[in-house]
Amino acid sequence: GAGVSQSPSNKVTEKGKDVELRCDPISGHTALYWYRQSLGQGLEFLIYFQGNSAPDKSGLPSDRFSAERTGGSVSTLTIQRTQQEDSAVYLCASSLANRGNEQYFGPGTRLTVT
Amino acid sequence: GENVEQHPSTLSVQEGDSAVIKCTYSDSASNYFPWYKQELGKGPQLIIDIRSNVGEKKDQRIAVTLNKTAKHFSLHITETQPEDSAVYFCAMGTGTGFQKLVFGTGTRLLVSP
Repeated sequence: GAGVSQSPSNKVTEKGKDVELRCDPISGHTALYWYRQSLGQGLEFLIYFQGNSAPDKSGLPSDRFSAERTGGSVSTLTIQRTQQEDSAVYLCASSLANRGNEQYFGPGTRLTVT
Repeated sequence: GENVEQHPSTLSVQEGDSAVIKCTYSDSASNYFPWYKQELGKGPQLIIDIRSNVGEKKDQRIAVTLNKTAKHFSLHITETQPEDSAVYFCAMGTGTGFQKLVFGTGTRLLVSP
């Protein structure tokens, strides 16, 4: 079946602009996660949604970052007033409710802030 | 804070040799330890995971061992093939339901034919 999809695959933006990154999870997966991967680094947790519960936002690096998940499916990660240090690959993952640990990742969105 | 240390950062082996990657973790409460393989330009792919109620798990050429007392776990790849070349990440589940993954910094594995 179809995996996690993300769009756009690449995004170049100017410093100070806002960007929106989209994630379509695997159908039927109730949990959705956002991670950030800086060049040559490991993955850094940002936020996750589990069903109708309040999201765990503990990994968001600043209040310029926010995310929402509409209808329990598609999610959008928004970065306001982008900075050069926001340049990274933003990865989305999803998992089944009863297998919450097994996270399946999308291909990522490479964000470059100039 | 919660962290995972991963070694080595790079590993070069000849085709057919075995490869071992080791990770140590800080959160003694964690009970979930996955391994991911990431190829260039792609997202990480879950290849194997282990939960704390077992000490070893094997899937064909890949095995993972866990030592909860020492807080370390390892990935073992036998009979390596060139297509095994990639970056491998270990991770530790933390937080409620151990759903937040804390990742190691990765190991670049190169398998030469």
